[in-house]
Amino acid sequence: QLQLQESGPGLVKPSETLSLTCTVSGGSISSSSYYWGWIRQPPGKGLEWIGSIYYSGSTYYNPSLKSRVTISVETSKNQFSLKVSSVTAADTAVYYCARQSSSAESEYFDYWGQGTLVTVSS
Amino acid sequence: SYELTQPPSVSVSPGQTARITCSGDALPKKYAHWYQQKSGQAPVLVIYEDSKRPSGIPERFSGSSSGTMATLTISGAQVEDEADYYCYSTDSSGNPSFGGGTKLTVL
Repeated sequence: QLQLQESGPGLVKPSETLSLTCTVSGGSISSSSYYWGWIRQPPGKGLEWIGSIYYSGSTYYNPSLKSRVTISVETSKNQFSLKVSSVTAADTAVYYCARQSSSAESEYFDYWGQGTLVTVSS
Repeated sequence: SYELTQPPSVSVSPGQTARITCSGDALPKKYAHWYQQKSGQAPVLVIYEDSKRPSGIPERFSGSSSGTMATLTISGAQVEDEADYYCYSTDSSGNPSFGGGTKLTVL
């Protein structure tokens, strides 16, 4: 059974960089049919896609966040990571990592991590 | 950014049929997918590619899509189906987007 687990600091100061890692177990991050994505959810609000990465390192990002977001992959560790720079209180959210089943016709997130709350506060 | 529009809330009595809609300009050409999120939990995929049900999802969950609207139907809704439901699709450029979410109340 595929499992994803987010890890990283739960508290980040304003203007600093938020960094999270997602560790994948029970399957290989190098599988050809999948991207790996980050989604966030501010408290009491809806889901927002942040960006996604293929095992080769190919990425695509939400245009509204693109200038501040970097997603990278480390296949040897079966991990992928998220960095969000210059954070503000608006970046406070539960951050989820997820597997993104992807084909020419369709893509969707089928496995999710449990999520980790990141609070931006001084 | 691409907008997928859902009603904020839907309420049904146990055993009734709940229908949650999702409208988006690209839906005639793009699949809709649906997630269930119970309080404090990660989202769970309940319908993918408009109408397919993942393994382990009860048969009372079904989906359809016509034109610019996709619909999630829960036939004979149960108390345990009470949750937030999100539709998901991509815009014409392939950028993912979630709907705003619908709170389903079953009481």
